[in-house]
Amino acid sequence: DAGVTQSPTHLIKTRGQQVTLRCSPKSGHDTVSWYQQALGQGPQFIFQYYEEEERQRGNFPDRFSGHQFPNYSSELNVNALLLGDSALYLCASSFWNRGNTEAFFGQGTRLTVV
Amino acid sequence: AQSVSQHNHHVILSEAASLELGCNYSYGGTVNLFWYVQYPGQHLQLLLKYFSGDPLVKGIKGFEAEFIKSKFSFNLRKPSVQWSDTAEYFCAVTPNTGGFKTIFGAGTRLFVKA
Repeated sequence: DAGVTQSPTHLIKTRGQQVTLRCSPKSGHDTVSWYQQALGQGPQFIFQYYEEEERQRGNFPDRFSGHQFPNYSSELNVNALLLGDSALYLCASSFWNRGNTEAFFGQGTRLTVV
Repeated sequence: AQSVSQHNHHVILSEAASLELGCNYSYGGTVNLFWYVQYPGQHLQLLLKYFSGDPLVKGIKGFEAEFIKSKFSFNLRKPSVQWSDTAEYFCAVTPNTGGFKTIFGAGTRLFVKA
């Protein structure tokens, strides 16, 4: 039973470019959340997807967008990259159970913007 | 704004010492509470969770946490730490507002000396 898988594991991009990160949830999970973890900080909630729709969003600009596919996998897109977008991006999956659910995390994608 | 505060950023203990990591959150309503651990080079893993019921929660590897509603606290404890407990520990809160955002603390880095 595969856990949460993310790709790529590492990525280097130039300021102004666009990036797409991918996440496959744990088998049986229908909900995907994305987090940004800057060095020395805890994960910050970006948004959550359920039934192919964005269900809630954190305090991130519109440059951050996402998508969930019918097979529950998800993408995170970031446009017009800034140096400050350099971070570890984490995907977490869960099974919607009226909120009483725990999330399983992937290894993350380390994005470096130069 | 909702927030999670972890009292210690770095903790150094000798093996067999007792551990208590503090966590306080700012939200007046019902919450789900979590402690996650990140071992070196590994992904975030759930240590324990509280949804309702007995406020003393037992997790994996001998960890436990106590929810004290009046103090908005969810402190993590272990009677006797081992070298293998060296890791970063994150407290997280999901307010039961009908939303789905999980808020993480900044983390506590624990180093256990052999």
